[in-house]
Amino acid sequence: AQSVAQPEDQVNVAEGNPLTVKCTYSVSGNPYLFWYVQYPNRGLQFLLKYITGDNLVKGSYGFEAEFNKSQTSFHLKKPSALVSDSALYFCAVRAWSGTASKLTFGTGTRLQVTL
Amino acid sequence: EPEVTQTPSHQVTQMGQEVILRCVPISNHLYFYWYRQILGQKVEFLVSFYNNEISEKSEIFDDQFSVERPDGSNFTLKIRSTKLEDSAMYFCASSLASGWGYTFGSGTRLTVV
Repeated sequence: AQSVAQPEDQVNVAEGNPLTVKCTYSVSGNPYLFWYVQYPNRGLQFLLKYITGDNLVKGSYGFEAEFNKSQTSFHLKKPSALVSDSALYFCAVRAWSGTASKLTFGTGTRLQVTL
Repeated sequence: EPEVTQTPSHQVTQMGQEVILRCVPISNHLYFYWYRQILGQKVEFLVSFYNNEISEKSEIFDDQFSVERPDGSNFTLKIRSTKLEDSAMYFCASSLASGWGYTFGSGTRLTVV
């Protein structure tokens, strides 16, 4: 069974400071890893994904994530946070298999960026 | 940029009534999914659909639920007899290939009263 853990319910950071939102995963075989962002009363917006290749993945809005196989982690980062980054962030994983398969989401981390 | 479109954005229904949630996936995508998010909780997988049949479903997706792709463009989720606990945001998603580039719709908020 695949699972995702987001250990922090909320992350608070001042605008201009770097941010990290943590994610660890468990899956059989090679993982596909995703980050999504959800603004209030909105759907899930794709930020970035890791399939294979370079461990540092760059995505939308200046976000990036680092895949660490030995630590089974895929932490989301941004060098300089903006107030507009305040939202709910979900990490998701699926196993690398040949059939259509589900994404398993973490419980979400609320990012609060303040002036 | 192509989008997954969901209608309606919000639906209120009485307990025991049938509801159909509609989705128009991205036109060249082959894999289709429904997820739900109960208020304040995590996003949960319901079902995946490929080649006109269900390829995987969760334990949530019981006999009260069904999916259909009635024509070449729509993908629907039917809840036969709604319960209060079905109140949630329902997200449709599609992907071109398995595990590759899921795109989610903006969701339908279902409220069962």
